[in-house]
Amino acid sequence: EIVLTQSPTTMAASPGEKVTLTCRASSSVSYMHWYQQRSGTSPKLWIYETSKLASGVPNRFSGSGSGTSYSLTINSMETEDAATYYCQQGSSYPLTFGSGTKLEIK
Amino acid sequence: QVQLKESGPGLVQPSQTLSLTCTVSGFSLTSNSVHWVRQPPGKGLEWVGAIWSGGSTDYNSALKSRLSISRDTSKSQVFLKMNSLQTEDTAIYFCTRNYPGTFFMDAWGQGASVTVSS
Repeated sequence: EIVLTQSPTTMAASPGEKVTLTCRASSSVSYMHWYQQRSGTSPKLWIYETSKLASGVPNRFSGSGSGTSYSLTINSMETEDAATYYCQQGSSYPLTFGSGTKLEIK
Repeated sequence: QVQLKESGPGLVQPSQTLSLTCTVSGFSLTSNSVHWVRQPPGKGLEWVGAIWSGGSTDYNSALKSRLSISRDTSKSQVFLKMNSLQTEDTAIYFCTRNYPGTFFMDAWGQGASVTVSS
């Protein structure tokens, strides 16, 4: 099973601040996918195939990485970006998720 | 548009069987695959299993002995059955659509909250 480790576990950012969330895989994966989950709601696909933004995702978000190291970056933090972000790999079974990064607004 | 909606009992007694239904609209189960994902209270996401467009299934090995996923394509429904439920199975259970040709989930249901308690 591929274990995904996300860091940090929790962080707070000020409006306008640049934010980078990291996801590291225990073995190499072809792509990483990211989901956003706001409190009390279902997760939403946010970034797929490492760097492609899902429909409706603001272009201040970006994704990058390869092999075992991937990241999600917010160019300029906004209030609405406060949420928990999960990474997910689909390169091997079982599909696995990271434990999430909770991003708060300062 | 693509929609998924879970339904089932909110409360299940320990050692009993959980039965959940996912009713989909906006896409066909014969050409799309559906996953089940669960989230214990205050915790992260866990992949439970999937039923593929051809009807085959894959399960999380930790749950495989207790789990069955099936479907009725004529009713656009996917079913999850899990037996021998324990308190650790308390979670929100989501059904999700697998984006065709890939292994990520592009649409999620609202989730069904399941509590295992006597």
